[in-house]
Amino acid sequence: AQTVTQSQPEMSVQEAETVTLSCTYDTSESNYYLFWYKQPPSRQMILVIRQEAYKQQNATENRFSVNFQKAAKSFSLKISDSQLGDTAMYFCAFMKGNYGQNFVFGPGTRLSVLP
Amino acid sequence: SQTIHQWPATLVQPVGSPLSLECTVEGTSNPNLYWYRQAAGRGLQLLFYSVGIGQISSEVPQNLSASRPQDRQFILSSKKLLLSDSGFYLCAWSKAFAGYTFGSGTRLTVV
Repeated sequence: AQTVTQSQPEMSVQEAETVTLSCTYDTSESNYYLFWYKQPPSRQMILVIRQEAYKQQNATENRFSVNFQKAAKSFSLKISDSQLGDTAMYFCAFMKGNYGQNFVFGPGTRLSVLP
Repeated sequence: SQTIHQWPATLVQPVGSPLSLECTVEGTSNPNLYWYRQAAGRGLQLLFYSVGIGQISSEVPQNLSASRPQDRQFILSSKKLLLSDSGFYLCAWSKAFAGYTFGSGTRLTVV
């Protein structure tokens, strides 16, 4: 079975600085997808970024980028130029490469952006 | 474009009362549908998922049930609520490998 670990329960960062959230996963699959979701205080789950395991290039979405290390089974999220609106819970998630499979979510990291 | 609607947003129910939470998806067909529960400050727990009408898989045995009477409708129910059923309930849909899209959630308090 797949597992997703987020070793940082809480983190904080000053506004405009950069922060990296870590995520590791365990799987024997070769075809899979990885995601980062953001859950602000409103509790709406919002997709931040998505990475296909077969792609070596790291995904980037504006200020959000990932460092995907497939051999190390690591998938960290870097937030550049942190903004107050980035304050949220961040969940790393794994999905096997078979249509219809369920996600495996990590326990989450609570990020606070400080003014 | 695809949208997902979940209601109600907030619900306060007495112990022993029934429950019905509804989720509908627009703009797609034959989506996979999911119900998750999130306790305060905790992670996400998958309750049910469905790959088609009438097809429900339960991940956690409990006094909740789910139904999918139509292709894009997913309902979470209970005949008698327990205090432990309190939490934040999220509906989600997926298709292919784009990932989940979540509804806005229902905050359920059982008193």
